[in-house]
Amino acid sequence: DARVTQTPRHKVTEMGQEVTMRCQPILGHNTVFWYRQTMMQGLELLAYFRNRAPLDDSGMPKDRFSAEMPDATLATLKIQPSEPRDSAVYFCASAKDRGYEQYFGPGTRLTVT
Amino acid sequence: AQKITQTQPGMFVQEKEAVTLDCTYDTSDQSYGLFWYKQPSSGEMIFLIYQGSYDEQNATEGRYSLNFQKARKSANLVISASQLGDSAMYFCAMREGLDAGNMLTFGGGTRLMVKP
Repeated sequence: DARVTQTPRHKVTEMGQEVTMRCQPILGHNTVFWYRQTMMQGLELLAYFRNRAPLDDSGMPKDRFSAEMPDATLATLKIQPSEPRDSAVYFCASAKDRGYEQYFGPGTRLTVT
Repeated sequence: AQKITQTQPGMFVQEKEAVTLDCTYDTSDQSYGLFWYKQPSSGEMIFLIYQGSYDEQNATEGRYSLNFQKARKSANLVISASQLGDSAMYFCAMREGLDAGNMLTFGGGTRLMVKP
C-alpha cells in the first residue's frame, strides 16, 4: 500500500531555529505539493513541483521559507529562521499527471515557541 | 473571492441517518475537478470522492455520493447511514484543469459530529 511519508511527525522548536521537514512522495508520482493548515487560514498551498522543478511557490514567505526536491524521492521544506506564526501542520501530497487524486502524507505538526 | 465555500462550520447527525454537507465553488474554467477529503482527529487527510466537470453521473463511493449540480456550481457530499467513525472535519476542494498535477483549493471545512 503505497503512501506519502513525512518526517518528523511532530517538531517543537524555539523561535529563530531552523526547521527542515521532509517528504517522500509515492514512487512514480511526479508532482509534489506542500500545504499548510492553520486554524485561521485553513489549508493553503505553499509550493509545488513537477518533475522536481518548482512550478509555483507564490504561497510561501520567500524570506524565510525554501522548498526543494534534491531527487525524485525526497522533497524538503525549510524554515529559517522560524517564528511562532509558523506553527501549523504542514502536509505534503503527491500525484501522477494522469491520475486525478492527490495523496496526502500524515503531516508534520510544527510548534514554534 | 472565495473559490470554495462551505457554509456549515459544524453539523450534528444521528447515527444511521443520512447527512448532506454543502459545498459551492466558483470557477470560469470548463475543466475542473471537485474533491472531498475527510480529516479525523488524528489529522490525516483521507480522500473520499472525486467528480470531474465533464462527468455526467454523480460520483459514488460506498456510503459517499457527490450531488453535483453544475449550473448551480454546487458539489454537496451525501453520507448515507452515518456511523460514529464519520465524526471528523470534511473539506471540499477544487482543482482547476483536469490534471492531477494542479493545485487544490480548499474550503474552510465542516465539522461533522455523529450522535449515538
